[in-house]
Amino acid sequence: SQQGEEDPQALSIQEGENATMNCSYKTSINNLQWYRQNSGRGLVHLILIRSNEREKHSGRLRVTLDTSKKSSSLLITASRAADTASYFCATDANDYKLSFGAGTTVTVRA
Amino acid sequence: DTEVTQTPKHLVMGMTNKKSLKCEQHMGHRAMYWYKQKAKKPPELMFVYSYEKLSINESVPSRFSPECPNSSLLNLHLHALQPEDSALYLCASSQAHGDYGYTFGSGTRLTVV
Repeated sequence: SQQGEEDPQALSIQEGENATMNCSYKTSINNLQWYRQNSGRGLVHLILIRSNEREKHSGRLRVTLDTSKKSSSLLITASRAADTASYFCATDANDYKLSFGAGTTVTVRA
Repeated sequence: DTEVTQTPKHLVMGMTNKKSLKCEQHMGHRAMYWYKQKAKKPPELMFVYSYEKLSINESVPSRFSPECPNSSLLNLHLHALQPEDSALYLCASSQAHGDYGYTFGSGTRLTVV
């Protein structure tokens, strides 16, 4: 079942700008993960943040996690056309049931 | 090898047909998953295999039958499907324990006619 809500549903930005998307969830988690999906194909794992971590970086990606608010954000800096995709947050409660949010569709304009 | 391979990539089947989707990984992952994704929706969990045993069935109709012949292979047998079962079927694998991301295959686009 879907646990998370993502905001915004869609985002259109100019190449070089930053993109920020947010994820809220409902229950306790072990970790939170972000995935990218291009054109309805497979999902690619981007980054994982554990419940005892507050911020994590990977290349142009920055993820924050606030467990008191049950929310996370993903920031993509200096966006490129290749970043055009759908982005999903997913929560892991250590029960093998990775639960996905509704997703944010990001369009990067050249 | 860091991939999950799914075959076929596309499948069109009639409502009386029997077909199978296949998934393979050689990363030593002991947890494998089937997800279903409808257009513009997030993936929804169907089945989980842990150490080749079915550990989770998310109340999936019996016309979907999973099988895990060994630690590298996962099948999804399809029989008497309905048009509303048309979707992208994604296989994934992960380490069985610890904080690890999942590796997804590129999916099978299924159309039931």
